Amino acid sequence: RKEVEQDPGPFNVPEGATVAFNCTYSNSASQSFFWYRQDCRKEPKLLMSVYSSGNEDGRFTAQLNRASQYISLLIRDSKLSDSATYLCVVNKGAGNNRKLIWGLGTSLAVNP
Amino acid sequence: ETGVTQSPTHLIKTRGQQVTLRCSSQSGHNTVSWYQQALGQGPQFIFQYYREEENGRGNFPPRFSGLQFPNYSSELNVNALELDDSALYLCASSEGTGGRDSPLHFGNGTRLTVT
Repeated sequence: RKEVEQDPGPFNVPEGATVAFNCTYSNSASQSFFWYRQDCRKEPKLLMSVYSSGNEDGRFTAQLNRASQYISLLIRDSKLSDSATYLCVVNKGAGNNRKLIWGLGTSLAVNP
Repeated sequence: ETGVTQSPTHLIKTRGQQVTLRCSSQSGHNTVSWYQQALGQGPQFIFQYYREEENGRGNFPPRFSGLQFPNYSSELNVNALELDDSALYLCASSEGTGGRDSPLHFGNGTRLTVT
């Protein structure tokens, strides 16, 4: 089993749709969690960190379920510009020891 | 604010050669991480440098080595290149080495092709 697994893509949705991505992780000692966005042939950029209580940033909502070891990302009212690959990232290191494990990414295409 | 810059942007090498990739960290950042991203894959962690010392390494062989300089810029060296080393190499800097409060800021990457 991979340390970080994401929904297989690609997701093709119409503009305005709501789409959700899930990501599971295997190491229960993992400390922090992130969603990164990567556009085609570009570098990854931090979309949002994921907090235990869940957090929202505009149309984006991230949730963490430690008991089931998964995190999710919900995108409401999809825009064409949301088309990208979304990478789930888990830090299983502690303190000053970062050990980021990246998922393979889920590709999203928002269509007009 | 100066972002993360990498050079060169593209590189073509032949099998067995050696390559050096360079990265200038974002102003105020003391930590640099290097990643390898093959086509269709997520980034794979190579190693991280904090204040000129390596403080974490992924599952890469010793022919992948690095340096961090006093100004926190960094180099990734790969010896005895193999065809499978062809990938996008990403450098990321951060203020601090881990956790939610030190997110990574990536450079545009160096695309290495080994023939």
